Amino acid sequence: KNQVEQSPQSLIILEGKNCTLQCNYTVSPFSNLRWYKQDTGRGPVSLTIMTFSENTKSNGRYTATLDADTKQSSLHITASQLSDSASYICVVSRPGTASKLTFGTGTRLQVTL
Amino acid sequence: DAGVTQSPTHLIKTRGQQVTLRCSPKSGHDTVSWYQQALGQGPQFIFQYYEEEERQRGNFPDRFSGHQFPNYSSELNVNALLLGDSALYLCASSRVQGYEQYFGPGTRLTVT
Repeated sequence: KNQVEQSPQSLIILEGKNCTLQCNYTVSPFSNLRWYKQDTGRGPVSLTIMTFSENTKSNGRYTATLDADTKQSSLHITASQLSDSASYICVVSRPGTASKLTFGTGTRLQVTL
Repeated sequence: DAGVTQSPTHLIKTRGQQVTLRCSPKSGHDTVSWYQQALGQGPQFIFQYYEEEERQRGNFPDRFSGHQFPNYSSELNVNALLLGDSALYLCASSRVQGYEQYFGPGTRLTVT
């Protein structure tokens, strides 16, 4: 069964600290992996997209890594800000149309003072 | 360039009623996908429209139906609403066969 599992389920960190979110998947065949940021009650916003040949991609303070062999990905957030408080969703896509996405349940991150 | 837009923002309906949600895709996109996101869960794929036809469908009953118009905008219709239909409904647009999907802000549906 195609699944995407994320950990931790929730995380609280102090402003300015770094954190790393994990994503493990069993989706096969694999096309690409995406990380989205979703503010409460809003639509997801894409942070990074990686194909199997890419093992790291950055977007400002967000850096995603991918190990296609172990089917693991991580999202590292550097120097966290209060505005980083959101859910971070890992999404894995199979080849074909854009509809074949498997979503993780997300990691809820809260950045505090 | 406007991104994906959805209307209404919020909606409250009673069990048994019918609802229509609307989506306008990002400029240049011709494919629209609909998702249901229950509280604390990841989005679940409902269906996808391209060239005014339903191309793919997730595991949702026939109470969920849709339509795509010649200008690529789309509607999601849900009949005989159940309490369990309460969720955030997301629309995402893309170019056909493209892998970059852009999500709208969602419509929050509450069924009482």
